[in-house]
Amino acid sequence: IVMTQTPLSSPVTLGQPASISCKSSQSLVHSDGNTYLNWLQQRPGQPPRLLIYQISNRFSGVPDRFSGSGAGTDFTLKISRVEAEDVGVYYCLQATEFPRTFGQGTKVEIK
Amino acid sequence: EVQLVESGGGLVRPGGSLTLSCAASGFTFSDYWMNWVRQTPGEGLLWLSFITEDGTGTNYADSVKGRFTITRDNARNTLYLQMNSLRADDTAVYYCSRDAIGHFDQWGQGTLVTVSS
Repeated sequence: IVMTQTPLSSPVTLGQPASISCKSSQSLVHSDGNTYLNWLQQRPGQPPRLLIYQISNRFSGVPDRFSGSGAGTDFTLKISRVEAEDVGVYYCLQATEFPRTFGQGTKVEIK
Repeated sequence: EVQLVESGGGLVRPGGSLTLSCAASGFTFSDYWMNWVRQTPGEGLLWLSFITEDGTGTNYADSVKGRFTITRDNARNTLYLQMNSLRADDTAVYYCSRDAIGHFDQWGQGTLVTVSS
């Protein structure tokens, strides 16, 4: 499954929203009915960190300015008001089928 | 506190072998699937391998199938990645990640593998 993210770079003004799209080459609905689409954040010099799992579930400790939505093959990560600590690269990851596959990453930076 | 600590990285010649370890603590290791993921410097993330909680099931990316082997020792709370026939394009930071049924919820800090003559 090929995961395609857009945009690849997103300059954002502090306090403004940001949105990242992730499209999969085939449906991510698993035979068990769940959709294993995750969003990860990687801050500079850090390992990846889980933000969102199964499309829209915020992981423990993730601020509520992060939200995920979508279904089937089209998914979106939104940051309602970008803060300085949100700078980094964001990846979508599908864990519905093997091989697991990541999007190319979207770099969020402050204008 | 959940911790995953990778080790075993270093410089290896092309064609050589290396075994990475991932020491887990702060959770019941034997309850979780695990994965290895790598990241080439300045590039994106590539999933490499998966193992079930009891080690009986594994899966690999095509790029490493037949060269890399994932195993685990639940008594030692440790995950391993045996890497053989290493190539220059295997140079990367290697991460282990806990898999909570389809979400990679915990990550180690990574260990750098450099394949060069």
